[in-house]
Amino acid sequence: DTGVSQNPRHKITKRGQNVTFRCDPISEHNRLYWYRQTLGQGPEFLTYFQNEAQLEKSRLLSDRFSAERPKGSFSTLEIQRTEQGDSAMYLCASSLGALGRTEAFFGQGTRLTVV
Amino acid sequence: GDSVTQMEGPVTLSEEAFLTINCTYTATGYPSLFWYVQYPGEGLQLLLKATKADDKGSNKGFEATYRKETTSFHLEKGSVQVSDSAVYFCALGSSNTGKLIFGQGTTLQVKP
Repeated sequence: DTGVSQNPRHKITKRGQNVTFRCDPISEHNRLYWYRQTLGQGPEFLTYFQNEAQLEKSRLLSDRFSAERPKGSFSTLEIQRTEQGDSAMYLCASSLGALGRTEAFFGQGTRLTVV
Repeated sequence: GDSVTQMEGPVTLSEEAFLTINCTYTATGYPSLFWYVQYPGEGLQLLLKATKADDKGSNKGFEATYRKETTSFHLEKGSVQVSDSAVYFCALGSSNTGKLIFGQGTTLQVKP
């Protein structure tokens, strides 16, 4: 296993279009997290899954954002009707168990640019 | 809610200088604490971690000690190299909340 994989690495889209990102976690990891990072800031939590269940969503995640993790394996993050403010790096991470006892491993991220 | 505060950067040092990046946290329960590093053009990598009070995490010459009494997890290195230039993020992970909370990051630039 080569770690957490995210696709695509870069995405440029026009305002108003929909985009979908994919994350493949480390295979035995039961928890999967999505974060957003803008220039000069630390990653901000968006949502996380334990297996296929979405356990928490941040208030940052408006109704235009939806995330799924069917069958508890890969996850997708969809943004509908993109806005320029959505431009950011979207990071995915996975962990084996709760973060109070273990660490999260991050993918390379998907950089979204909305023009 | 849980939060992490890091010293503001950028921090500019000469090679072989001593490094300290301060990190303090607010959390309920007993979180684990982490330092992640982000090299230019790369993703976040775990640098070191500590899971309970008084634990010392260490890796690649970097160290940080989990101080419950001062709610701190300061990052130190005795002699920095140019290759250490990166952005460093302090983070806490809690079983209560189930997520990582990051500080805003500190940029380190090491000059030859």
